[in-house]
Amino acid sequence: QVQLVESGGGVAQPGRSLRLSCAASGIRFRNYVMHWVRQAPGKGLEWVSCISHDGSGKYYADSVKGRFTISIDDSKNTLYLQVNSLRPEDTAVYHCVGEGGGAFDIWGQGTVVIVSS
Amino acid sequence: QAGLTQPPSVSKGLRQTATLTCTGNSNNVGDLGAAWLQQHQGHPPKLLSYRNNNRPSGISERLSASRSGNTVSLTITGLQPEDEADYYCSAWDSSLSAWVFGGGTKLTVL
Repeated sequence: QVQLVESGGGVAQPGRSLRLSCAASGIRFRNYVMHWVRQAPGKGLEWVSCISHDGSGKYYADSVKGRFTISIDDSKNTLYLQVNSLRPEDTAVYHCVGEGGGAFDIWGQGTVVIVSS
Repeated sequence: QAGLTQPPSVSKGLRQTATLTCTGNSNNVGDLGAAWLQQHQGHPPKLLSYRNNNRPSGISERLSASRSGNTVSLTITGLQPEDEADYYCSAWDSSLSAWVFGGGTKLTVL
């Protein structure tokens, strides 16, 4: 059974950090580009970052560049997103997404990040 | 980052046909095409099509996608109550080296 399970979200003050994790089962990262996509409350989808299966290619949205870092541990089949210097506008549900054949094929349920003082 | 343009809402009657549009530019939609996703309230999105008209297994044949220049369209025939959802398009932007999303279209089935 293919499954992506995110964790690590929570409530954080502005300027603080969180580390989001995404544990994958039923897929092997070597066959996927992995993404983080977020959705603020009542808003649309926003792509955050992606990483190639071997970790050599990393891309970021301008809104998070320099603050967020994506990484992958192939041995643990786990994707990470280190989120630093949090801002209120980073408040969102963060989804881990696997891109296999063509686009955003597999979605996790998401982990909630709330940035508030 | 500039996103793709979608109409905020579309309303159609039961069993009618709805066509949703998504407009980008030559660096994104006009380059490699776009993907379409459907999202029901409280659920993560689901991929409907990619690179214009490739449907993942299990996606209804009532859905079809096409591209004309920098605009992609998603056509849903024989609308059913379960088609009522938010629909997003997305494309890789080669000039930004980033994925961009449309703002989403809320489809209402009357």
